[in-house]
Amino acid sequence: GQQLNQSPQSMFIQEGEDVSMNCTSSSIFNTWLWYKQDPGEGPVLLIALYKAGELTSNGRLTAQFGITRKDSFLNISASIPSDVGIYFCAGQSNSGNTPLVFGKGTRLSVIA
Amino acid sequence: GAVVSQHPSWVICKSGTSVKIECRSLDFQATTMFWYRQFPKQSLMLMATSNEGSKATYEQGVEKDKFLINHASLTLSTLTVTSAHPEDSSFYICSAPQGLWGEKLFFGSGTQLSVL
Repeated sequence: GQQLNQSPQSMFIQEGEDVSMNCTSSSIFNTWLWYKQDPGEGPVLLIALYKAGELTSNGRLTAQFGITRKDSFLNISASIPSDVGIYFCAGQSNSGNTPLVFGKGTRLSVIA
Repeated sequence: GAVVSQHPSWVICKSGTSVKIECRSLDFQATTMFWYRQFPKQSLMLMATSNEGSKATYEQGVEKDKFLINHASLTLSTLTVTSAHPEDSSFYICSAPQGLWGEKLFFGSGTQLSVL
């Protein structure tokens, strides 16, 4: 089945630093999404990407849909303590309510 | 974004009992909902796709008689863990799709199940 390789698995950064994480796939996706999950909560949608090459921002977050449609990255600028959590990438290869494929997550820790 | 409500947030039960988890889409209709399971420090594992008015579709390795799914209306899906055992202890999360072609998944807040 389809798999997403998400890296890094974990990151420890200083408050104020920028963060970058990415996902790659062996197959093409039509949609890429990025989620954040806090402990004991469900994932929250951060950014949705629909077109190859698309670059979308949400506040301090920026994500891009790779031109090959097999990868995506998420950048967080000027990190703050509340950015702590697990970030998941997810991809969808077909339309019509088909399940997303999730990466294994990037655990972000921010040191104040 | 769309709101998906999941109850209960946590439940502790004795081994052998059944537990029902509800998932509601509050401000939109969902003919399809997805149920995931998540172990500590792991990613989300899709268990089944809940379809309104028809049988759920289960992923390989998920026992349909163990995890009963009922999609009773366009806003409600339930997951019942039958005859729960300690190995069923996990974090269960439901989700409902929205967007142009259902590509955006909105998640409930999850249910932490602990079976004693």
